Amino acid sequence: ETGVTQTPRHLVMGMTNKKSLKCEQHLGHNAMYWYKQSAKKPLELMFVYSLEERVENNSVPSRFSPECPNSSHLFLHLHTLQPEDSALYLCASSHDGRAGELFFGEGSRLTVL
Amino acid sequence: AQRVTQPEKLLSVFKGAPVELKCNYSYSGSPELFWYVQYSRQRLQLLLRHISRESIKGFTADLNKGETSFHLKKPFAQEEDSAMYYCALSGTAAGNMLTFGGGTRLMVKP
Repeated sequence: ETGVTQTPRHLVMGMTNKKSLKCEQHLGHNAMYWYKQSAKKPLELMFVYSLEERVENNSVPSRFSPECPNSSHLFLHLHTLQPEDSALYLCASSHDGRAGELFFGEGSRLTVL
Repeated sequence: AQRVTQPEKLLSVFKGAPVELKCNYSYSGSPELFWYVQYSRQRLQLLLRHISRESIKGFTADLNKGETSFHLKKPFAQEEDSAMYYCALSGTAAGNMLTFGGGTRLMVKP
């Protein structure tokens, strides 16, 4: 499969659960991103990995924990989330140094009960 | 700090009418500006970037540094243009990270 793939597409979890979102890119890019898209706010950058090293986290709460084992895979580990964390989580990738030209996945719709 | 503002959450026009989606930004250096589009049930994708000076799907956007604007224009809207449009800014002061505006939903009525 080509492009940026995210799984699961939909996730419902309780506040005490632990779950993970997965992102995979087949574009040969070396930078990957997590964005949060909620109804009442602009797209928010959460984490950036460039060459598998985290370069930005924008003061995201520690209940969100990213992991980038290699340049093709990115995870977002979730634990003890709050209902206000319900949102669409978008993964994106780019060539390092061309952060303006992002290729997005379809997103993982998260609902926290 | 860099900021992108899209003052209109919703813009509704009739087919064949001109369209202008507004975008204003604040940034102290020389930014790169982009427009992204998200059609219904599709992923967010890059539409155009100011450095390319190109027309994509009939859309153009000119960077006006004096007015700090990057409005997206199309002379004759089509129904298939209906989508969410996001203006975005990238600048070296923030490590070239992309900052998005709040988005404008364009509805083109038949």
